[in-house]
Amino acid sequence: QVQLQESGPGLVEPSETLSLTCNVSGGSINSYYWSWIRQPAGKRLEWIGRISIGGNTNYSPSLKRRLTMSVDTSKNQFSLNLTSVTAADTAVYFCAREGSTTEGRYFDSWGQGTLVTVSS
Amino acid sequence: DIQMSQSPSSLSASVGDRVTITCRASQNITTYLNWYLQRPGKAPNLIIYGASSLQSGVPSRFSGSGSGTDFNVTISRLQPEDFATYYCQQSYTTPRTFGQGTKVEIK
Repeated sequence: QVQLQESGPGLVEPSETLSLTCNVSGGSINSYYWSWIRQPAGKRLEWIGRISIGGNTNYSPSLKRRLTMSVDTSKNQFSLNLTSVTAADTAVYFCAREGSTTEGRYFDSWGQGTLVTVSS
Repeated sequence: DIQMSQSPSSLSASVGDRVTITCRASQNITTYLNWYLQRPGKAPNLIIYGASSLQSGVPSRFSGSGSGTDFNVTISRLQPEDFATYYCQQSYTTPRTFGQGTKVEIK
């Protein structure tokens, strides 16, 4: 069974860059789309964007200007860089796998989540 | 973006109750609608995909229905482990979007 694990700094200063990596184990990163999703405390889930192993990306329009995603198939990892962060970027960040079948597309595997706080 | 809204925002119920949560999309998403359960401090878990397909390993007391813009998830007999927050999510197009959540609490 595939497992996902986020890693990265838990504290980022305002105006700096938030960088996170998701390690995928127990399965190949090949195929599928790989997403980042965040959740500010007490709020709804917010999709950030996704990447395929071919490097195709789709980003949230509200974050697109500050966002870059990448994938490293040799390490079975994918990453997120969000520049010029503010307190509004404080959230629990999840990585997730998006499966696809004839019935639909859905996030069927998730990391445990990592809290990122933006503060000086 | 497609807006997703859920009702109610919260509900109180007892073990053994039948519970239904509604989700509405701002435009037609056919059956590209998923439901997740999230317990405090944990990642969401997929329970229903494609509006009505039960995810592997999820108890059969969960069921989903709907198409177009209106969807439901029903728990036929509420169990203690079902007290959590439920989210709907559309996968019709990007950006993927989620409902605001429905918190199911113990009465």
